[in-house]
This record gives sequence, C-alpha cells and structure tokens, in this order.
Amino acid sequence: EDKVVQSPLSLVVHEGDTVTLNCSYEVTNFRSLLWYKQEKKAPTFLFMLTSSGIEKKSGRLSSILDKKELSSILNITATQTGDSAIYLCAVVQSQGAQKLVFGQGTRLTINP
Amino acid sequence: DARVTQTPRHKVTEMGQEVTMRCQPILGHNTVFWYRQTMMQGLELLAYFRNRAPLDDSGMPKDRFSAEMPDATLATLKIQPSEPRDSAVYFCASGLVRDGAATTDTQYFGPGTRLTVL
Repeated sequence: EDKVVQSPLSLVVHEGDTVTLNCSYEVTNFRSLLWYKQEKKAPTFLFMLTSSGIEKKSGRLSSILDKKELSSILNITATQTGDSAIYLCAVVQSQGAQKLVFGQGTRLTINP
Repeated sequence: DARVTQTPRHKVTEMGQEVTMRCQPILGHNTVFWYRQTMMQGLELLAYFRNRAPLDDSGMPKDRFSAEMPDATLATLKIQPSEPRDSAVYFCASGLVRDGAATTDTQYFGPGTRLTVL
C-alpha cells in the first residue's frame, strides 16, 4: 500500500529556532514530492522536488530530496510566529494525472 | 488572480439530508480533484477528473457519494443521504495535464467547504 509518513506529528519551538520536518515515502512509480503549508484554510504550495540532492530554497525555507533513503526534509531557519501551520508532504505517482498521496502532516507551533 | 472557488464555504445539515458542494477550477485547468480532510484521517483523495472524465473515484464511498463535472467550469460533489461521519472539510483542487503528462505536479486548492452533519 502506498504511504507517506511525516515526523514529528507536532512540534513546538520558540521564535528564532531552526526546525527540520521529515517526510518518508513508500509509493510505486515515484515521480515527485511536494511540500504544502496549511494555515487555517487551504494548503498552499511550497516546493516540488524531483531530483535527489538538489536543494530548493525560498527565503528561510529550504527542502531537499533523498531518493536513496526515500525521504525529504523541510528546513525553516529563524522561525517566526507566522510559520505556525500544518506542513504537508505529498508524493506524486507517475500516472500522468497528478494523483497525490498525502502524509498526515506536521503541526508546527512557533511561540514568541 | 486565478484561483479555485468553492461553494458553500460552510454547510450545516441534518443527517439524511442531501448535500451538494460546488467547485470552479482555475480557467484552463483540465484536472480536478476532490479531497476530504479530517483530524483523524488527514487529507484523503476522493475522486479526480481529467477533461471532465472521471479517472479514479476509488476513495469515495459509492453508496452515498457522487462526483460529476457537468462542464469544464464546474465540478460537483454530492452526498445523499448525509451522515454525521461525513463531517469534514472538503477541498477541491485543480491542475493542468497536457499530452498525458503533467505540465506541473502542483495542484491549486480551493478554500474548502466545511461540512457539519448533525
């Protein structure tokens, strides 16, 4: 059965800390891995990763894929209260129809 | 500013009633997805369409749920009869696939419909 597992499920840190969120997957016909941020509404897209070892960066956020280990990490440096959200990892299978398998999410809380 | 729209944003109904949720995908997108999100199960894919044809609805309880795309600008998800366990946030997302390959794997999510069945 295809599955995506995220860890930790919940994380509470202080503003300014650096956090690392993990995503591991077991899916057939892996095509790409996506990270989404979900606040009180719909998930918003952060990164798409297809190649192993190539880091994607956007401001204080960065992510990298390790195809050998079937995993990805999402790093957030110098965290701010606005980073508080659920971070979702999803894997796309190469069926040509963008079918996503989602992890259960990591709930990140940044305290001032 | 292209975005996916969903109506209604909130729906409270009684058990046994019919519920219809609507989604307008981003203009030009040809794939539409319906997801359900609960605290216990997270995000689950219910059904998806490409070029208005259903490709997979294996995640959907067939006895009470139905999904359709009457035209390229409207997707509907219907529950009849509704049950308390259907209470969840239902998201619609859209994307673009050309020539059998996704131009981007990114899906764009609507704001969701929060359904409460009493």
